[in-house]
Parts: sequence; C-alpha cells; structure tokens
Amino acid sequence: GENVEQHPSTLSVQEGDSAVIKCTYSDSASNYFPWYKQELGKGPQLIIDIRSNVGEKKDQRIAVTLNKTAKHFSLHITETQPEDSAVYFCAASRVYGNKLVFGAGTILRVKS
Amino acid sequence: ETGVTQSPTHLIKTRGQQVTLRCSSQSGHNTVSWYQQALGQGPQFIFQYYREEENGRGNFPPRFSGLQFPNYSSELNVNALELDDSALYLCASSLVEGAREQYFGPGTRLTVT
Repeated sequence: GENVEQHPSTLSVQEGDSAVIKCTYSDSASNYFPWYKQELGKGPQLIIDIRSNVGEKKDQRIAVTLNKTAKHFSLHITETQPEDSAVYFCAASRVYGNKLVFGAGTILRVKS
Repeated sequence: ETGVTQSPTHLIKTRGQQVTLRCSSQSGHNTVSWYQQALGQGPQFIFQYYREEENGRGNFPPRFSGLQFPNYSSELNVNALELDDSALYLCASSLVEGAREQYFGPGTRLTVT
C-alpha cells in the first residue's frame, strides 16, 4: 500500500545552521511531493512542493530535492531561525490535487 | 483573498453521538478534502469532494460521510462516535485544474469521551 516514511522524528539545530529532513515513499506512481509546516494550534501550511518532472526546487532558504529512482525526497532549510521551529510533514500523491499520504512528521527545534 | 475556515474550533462529544464539522473553502477554490490528524501523527485522508460529489476516499468506514454545497463549502459528518475518533479534523481546499496545491484550515479539535 501507500506509505511515506519520514526521518528524523526530532531535530535540534543551532540558529544559523542547516536542517535536513528526509522522506521515502513506497508508491512508485507518486508524482507530487509537498512539504507542510505545522505550528502549535494551527493547520499545516504549504511551504514548498515539487513534481516528478523536476529534480530540485528552491525558494529562498528552503529547497527540496527528489530522487525518483530511489523514491526519496528531502527538505533542506539553510540559515535556520527560531521561527522555523515547528513540525514539518512531507507528503506524496499519485494524483496531483487529490489524496495526500503524509509522513509522521519531524519536530524541528532551532536553538538561539 | 479569504483563507480556509473551519467551525467549530473545539468540540466535545460522547461515544455513540453524531457530529457535523464545517469548512469554507478558500476564495476561488472548488475542491475540498478532509483529513484526520491523531495526536503526534500526520494527517490521514478521509475523502475529497468536487462538484458536490465524492472524488476519492481513504480507508475510513461509511459512518464518515460528507457533503459539498454549491458555494463549495463542505461538511464532514461522523455517526456513532468512537473514542478513537478523537483527533484534529482538517479541511483543505484546492482547484481541480491548473495549480492544485491543497491549503489547509486551522482544524476542528474533536474529543470523544
């Protein structure tokens, strides 16, 4: 069945350092991979996404890479700031705009 | 531009009761998806509605049902509540053509006692 594994479950970094979160998906038909940030008491916020015809996408301090052969995708945050502290979720979908299968989440703590 | 809104914010129900949760989609969006997020876990897809019809369903029993209205707003109904239904229920809206990213509302926290 469809499954997305996410690592690590928690990540602590010093302000200014980089953070990397990795996900692996099982459904080879998946072709859309969004990342969401969820702060306490709020719904998930879309921060970046990538589609299967692209290997890398960058938006300021955030980048996502995709390796379709290995069924891996990763989120990279550079120059982390305290306000980056939140829970981050990766997700995968075989139909763009329909069912998202989420990972279990990564708690990111940025220490100042 | 108006974001996704959900009501109520919190709800406490007793096992066996029924509940209705509501969602208003983001301005311009015609598709609504519902997710259940248990504490400490990622959201799980319940179903999606487009043109007032179910357009995909996850692994949830029939006591989870939904509606979409002509203005694209939506309701999630859960019958015969069980303790395990306690969770954050999230609604996400999107377009069915073009840019189809899903944008989430703040959720409704349901507690079943």
